[in-house]
Amino acid sequence: DIQMTQSPSSLSASVGDRVTITCRASQGISRYLNWYQQKPGKAPKLLVYAVSSLQSGVPSRFSGSGSGTDFALTISSLQPEDFATYHCQQTFNSPWTFGQGTKVEIK
Amino acid sequence: EVQLLESGGGLVQPGGSLRLSCAASGFAFNTYVMNWVRQAPGKGLEWVSATTSTGSPTFYADSVKGRFTISRDNPKNMLYMQMNSLRAEDTALYYCARVDISANSYDYWGQGTLVTVSS
Repeated sequence: DIQMTQSPSSLSASVGDRVTITCRASQGISRYLNWYQQKPGKAPKLLVYAVSSLQSGVPSRFSGSGSGTDFALTISSLQPEDFATYHCQQTFNSPWTFGQGTKVEIK
Repeated sequence: EVQLLESGGGLVQPGGSLRLSCAASGFAFNTYVMNWVRQAPGKGLEWVSATTSTGSPTFYADSVKGRFTISRDNPKNMLYMQMNSLRAEDTALYYCARVDISANSYDYWGQGTLVTVSS
């Protein structure tokens, strides 16, 4: 199985900060990389698919980048509603696997 | 509006069984691949099982193979997971999720149903 490693596991940031979360795959996954946002007690929500394509309705302050094994999710200006846990996912090989999650907390 | 609503979770003893259900609405259920994904308390997300739009073939994580069975009833817009020989490590929130094949991603998730395996 492909292992996905996110860093950091958690971070504290202030409203307006630029935040970047990284995700590394244990082998090349081309562009089969998605990002989900999960708020406490809620189901995950698709933010970005295929590395950099924003899901419909997702604010443009979110962006994704990377290729091969190294990927990133950037929030250009953190908003109060962005405090959540973010998960990366590879869909290059079965089984589809997730990173362990990155919790973004309020500083 | 796309909706996925899971049910059937609960407290069960080790070795016991449960059947999870996921009621789908707001889309052409019979044209979508559907998956079950779980999340143990305080842990990350783990893919559990998948079924094609027709119900066959089906796929399972190694951790549940031989114990869990995914199925669907397309005329009723229902997805199921029969869970047998449950173990403590199966304790998790179980989500059904719709697959967007064009984006290779889960575009809709249910709210989850909690399975607790404990004596």
